[in-house]
Amino acid sequence: GENVGLHLPTLSVQEGDNSIINCAYSNSASDYFIWYKQESGKGPQFIIDIRSNMDKRQGQRVTVLLNKTVKHLSLQIAATQPGDSAVYFCAENINQAGTALIFGKGTTLSVSS
Amino acid sequence: DSGVTQTPKHLITATGQRVTLRCSPRSGDLSVYWYQQSLDQGLQFLIQYYNGEERAKGNILERFSAQQFPDLHSELNLSSLELGDSALYFCASSGGTGETQYFGPGTRLLVL
Repeated sequence: GENVGLHLPTLSVQEGDNSIINCAYSNSASDYFIWYKQESGKGPQFIIDIRSNMDKRQGQRVTVLLNKTVKHLSLQIAATQPGDSAVYFCAENINQAGTALIFGKGTTLSVSS
Repeated sequence: DSGVTQTPKHLITATGQRVTLRCSPRSGDLSVYWYQQSLDQGLQFLIQYYNGEERAKGNILERFSAQQFPDLHSELNLSSLELGDSALYFCASSGGTGETQYFGPGTRLLVL
């Protein structure tokens, strides 16, 4: 089965709303998590990452929260814009050396104006 | 623009053929990763090279192989192609191991 998964395959929001995209992971040994954004016809674009020694990290309009107790990861996007429409993937490292990333199936975010 | 380049952007070929996909990592990055993205399997890790040597292997078929050259660019070779190999193939690079991976624009392979 998947080591990393997302709760919802699609999320529709209005422009200006805050968006929350969730991800559950099952590998308690994972210590590095990343959120990627993938627009149609493009490669995954790094958004923000977090290591397991943290529970929150903020970027520009984005915040990642990590709850190791329930193995849950979330991406919060503030004041969502039409340009945020894309597929969002969470990913985790599968081993201590931190090589391969295991990706979830993705959440498609649709922002309407 | 991530700084990772991939060629070609699109590739159409027939079953049984062999193709080579090329990736140039970001300047200074030593690690190159290959991923396959298909509709039913999502993004799957294939293989990683670090400074010319294979570092990790994922769900890579025996018909597929890769290498990293002294100038750090990498090639993914796909042989005896099957219809099911049609997918997007992404290359990513990072400075070392355990660091953030930055993805290229991908090569869309269509096997007819």
